[in-house]
Amino acid sequence: EVQLVESGGGLVHPGRSLRLSCAASGFTFDDYAIHWVRQAPGKGLEWVSGISWNSGTIGYADSVKGRFTISRDNAKNSLYLQMNSLRVEDTAFYYCAKGSSSSLRGSFDYWGQGTLVTVSS
Amino acid sequence: QSALTQPASVSGSPGQSITISCTGTSSDVGGYNYVSWYQQHPGKAPKLMIYDVSNRPSGVSNRFSGSKSGNTASLTISGLRAEDEADYYCSSYTSSTTWVFGGGTKLTVL
Repeated sequence: EVQLVESGGGLVHPGRSLRLSCAASGFTFDDYAIHWVRQAPGKGLEWVSGISWNSGTIGYADSVKGRFTISRDNAKNSLYLQMNSLRVEDTAFYYCAKGSSSSLRGSFDYWGQGTLVTVSS
Repeated sequence: QSALTQPASVSGSPGQSITISCTGTSSDVGGYNYVSWYQQHPGKAPKLMIYDVSNRPSGVSNRFSGSKSGNTASLTISGLRAEDEADYYCSSYTSSTTWVFGGGTKLTVL
């Protein structure tokens, strides 16, 4: 059974940093791209970032480019999102989503339950 | 990276069919067959319903179907059931090596 478990969320002040993690199991982690998708409370889905199977291709939404860094450790079956210079508008549930292919082009076929990041003074 | 355009809400009676549209540009929906649709019930994670425009993952009812014409993709749900009431999001791969979602459509089963 595919499982994606996010962690690392919490309350943080504007301008500070936070690192999210996603632990994956139930599939061959290094065969697939992985993504972060967020959802502000009561709002729609927003793709944040994605990373291909070997970290060779990485993409970011314009809203986080230059502030967020995605990475993966295939030996640990884990995905990370380093979030710097956090803003109030970054407040959201952050979902880890498995890609359906090794490249960024595959759809998101499995999702974690999300971790809440709240940016507030 | 402008969001894809979806109607804010649609509704239908049990047994009826509804269609949700998703309009983008030639740089996303119109340029690639990497359009997917997700169902989200309140308080739950999204679930993949359609991928690559018109393919259904294993386990998804054949009442759900997808199509695309030009820059607009569509999700059709036939034989509406109460459990279909949820939010639906389209998504497309883009020429910028990114993904973009639609604003979401709230489906109400009357």
